[in-house]
Amino acid sequence: DTEVTQTPKHLVMGMTNKKSLKCEQHMGHRAMYWYKQKAKKPPELMFVYSYEKLSINESVPSRFSPECPNSSLLNLHLHALQPEDSALYLCASSQPSEKDNEQFFGPGTRLTVL
Amino acid sequence: KNQVEQSPQSLIILEGKNCTLQCNYTVSPFSNLRWYKQDTGRGPVSLTIMTFSENTKSNGRYTATLDADTKQSSLHITASQLSDSASYICVARGSTLGRLYFGRGTQLTVWP
Repeated sequence: DTEVTQTPKHLVMGMTNKKSLKCEQHMGHRAMYWYKQKAKKPPELMFVYSYEKLSINESVPSRFSPECPNSSLLNLHLHALQPEDSALYLCASSQPSEKDNEQFFGPGTRLTVL
Repeated sequence: KNQVEQSPQSLIILEGKNCTLQCNYTVSPFSNLRWYKQDTGRGPVSLTIMTFSENTKSNGRYTATLDADTKQSSLHITASQLSDSASYICVARGSTLGRLYFGRGTQLTVWP
């Protein structure tokens, strides 16, 4: 299985809602990533988990809360988002700390904040 | 400052024609460079990977080149197909912490 899956595919939420994005991989990868991508822009790194521990937080606002319950799952909890948070949220996984660690990306969750 | 610049920003070609996309990077220390294809609303998919010691690498109709001295890479697409319409993103990996640096991508449109 060489696939990273993400759910839901689309999400519309109000600024007072609480929602979660989910990501799953079964490739035995021990590094998982969350990216945010605005239209016609490159992905921006948000968080990196390595061996289920948060290793990088790119100064992301606290209304985004990542969680890595186990080596296969990665969640992104959303609360009190702003309309400018509307974007494609991409999850990726790889083997950590290797010279050629290709990141495999999921299809993304298209988030719209009203 | 570690940066990746791509050109052109967008490109329209006719089906069956060839095209070349450019990427300049200033990432240092440098580990490798990948070209990704990203369909609209989908995640990027890796096409090729090149390290500083490699000059050319092919993957079907895709051929990537790398000049580590000038820090330039190109992606050549041969005999384009309608399904090649996508954004092509150049990604340089730094040796420090393995951080990835993304270009803004070239939006390629193939017309019948």
